[in-house]
Amino acid sequence: DQQVKQNSPSLSVQEGRISILNCDYTNSMFDYFLWYKKYPAEGPTFLISISSIKDKNEDGRFTVFLNKSAKHLSLHIVPSQPGDSAVYFCAASRTGGTSYGKLTFGQGTILTVHP
Amino acid sequence: NAGVTQTPKFQVLKTGQSMTLQCAQDMNHEYMSWYRQDPGMGLRLIHYSVGAGITDQGEVPNGYNVSRSTTEDFPLRLLSAAPSQTSVYFCASRKYRDSQETQYFGPGTRLLVL
Repeated sequence: DQQVKQNSPSLSVQEGRISILNCDYTNSMFDYFLWYKKYPAEGPTFLISISSIKDKNEDGRFTVFLNKSAKHLSLHIVPSQPGDSAVYFCAASRTGGTSYGKLTFGQGTILTVHP
Repeated sequence: NAGVTQTPKFQVLKTGQSMTLQCAQDMNHEYMSWYRQDPGMGLRLIHYSVGAGITDQGEVPNGYNVSRSTTEDFPLRLLSAAPSQTSVYFCASRKYRDSQETQYFGPGTRLLVL
């Protein structure tokens, strides 16, 4: 049972345009969400996160939006750059109790930004 | 700081062999974990530890053992390797009770079981 889903395996975008990566979750107990970026032969690196008490968090070119009622979050990258080409993983966690620190990941979306 | 380091980078095993994947961090993080990454499945939690002497199972623990004798090290043991354990393994660490929930990942160990 996939609790976090990224339904688009890949996304291709022109340099300078907006990239929108989507993520859906089913577990209503998740209260913290993160995006990780991964280059080939490297470990995932943290990109941006959002708590369930917010609906938007922005960091430079990256913005994450959270729609709790729809159990949906998205990552916007504006403007997209060729160096953004990577695999993007959505992850979710529960910040309380024994689940603290456990991340549940989506399948990942391969973003390709063309010059 | 070296961050999170993993050895080896790549390993080939025969079915039934055992091996230990090493993970170390120099950030004094209490929380450490192991994930495996398989195509189309994202990363899945194998085992985790909230401090020295404390470990617990994650989502896919079968076939793996862990121990945590020091804050710095968190080795993952494959007792009898199976082809289904062919995967890329990532170790991660974070400060426990960090409100940011950010985990730092190592570069990964690519394991092939024949």
